[in-house]
Amino acid sequence: VQLVQSGPELKKPGTTVKISCKASGYSFTEYYMNWVKQAPGKGLEWLGLIDPEDGGETIYSENFQGRVTITADMSTATVYLQLSGLRSEDTAVYYCATPGGPWGQGTQVTVSS
Amino acid sequence: DIVLTQSPDSLALSLGERATINCKSSQSILYSSNNKNYLAWYQQRPGQPPKLLFYWSSSRESGVPDRFSASGSGTDFTLTIGSLQAEDVAVYFCQQYYSAPHTFGQGTKLEIK
Repeated sequence: VQLVQSGPELKKPGTTVKISCKASGYSFTEYYMNWVKQAPGKGLEWLGLIDPEDGGETIYSENFQGRVTITADMSTATVYLQLSGLRSEDTAVYYCATPGGPWGQGTQVTVSS
Repeated sequence: DIVLTQSPDSLALSLGERATINCKSSQSILYSSNNKNYLAWYQQRPGQPPKLLFYWSSSRESGVPDRFSASGSGTDFTLTIGSLQAEDVAVYFCQQYYSAPHTFGQGTKLEIK
């Protein structure tokens, strides 16, 4: 199983970022996909998940409701995280991860004017 | 939401000593229909993404040294490192994937004395 994420992003406050996570080595619809945030020097915060099989059903953290959108493209086995209304507190490394399984390498998102 | 509380927050031990990290869940994460505990343990070395150590509370991921062991069921779980090595310096997290949000423990920082 391998999860490969897109590269670092530098964004201005108020804008939107969309990062990707391409899965390989397993049946893409077999597992949910989580997105997790890790701010500098902080612990891990769960953002949401998607069930690629079940019509792309999603569940989002209440802390990010309304700003986060998770989608999946079954044709390319890729999951996307979109975060809107960016603010400085969103500066973090974002990981995709299968529940109880391996993680992507992380994507650094920096929000700065 | 399920709250996971790890103890201790930090641990400083000598090389060769035994390390024990606990993770307590605010509710049972044992799914009765398959008798599996929906808990994973991760190791995060500085500057690296989290690495899966155990899933289903005690199933060792391929490649994890056998000095690492995990146990527990229901609400109480333990990660043990039998003989501490220098490369074990890291932060260790537990995560439940029993129900969304898939919450994390706050992490335990393991250092060499």
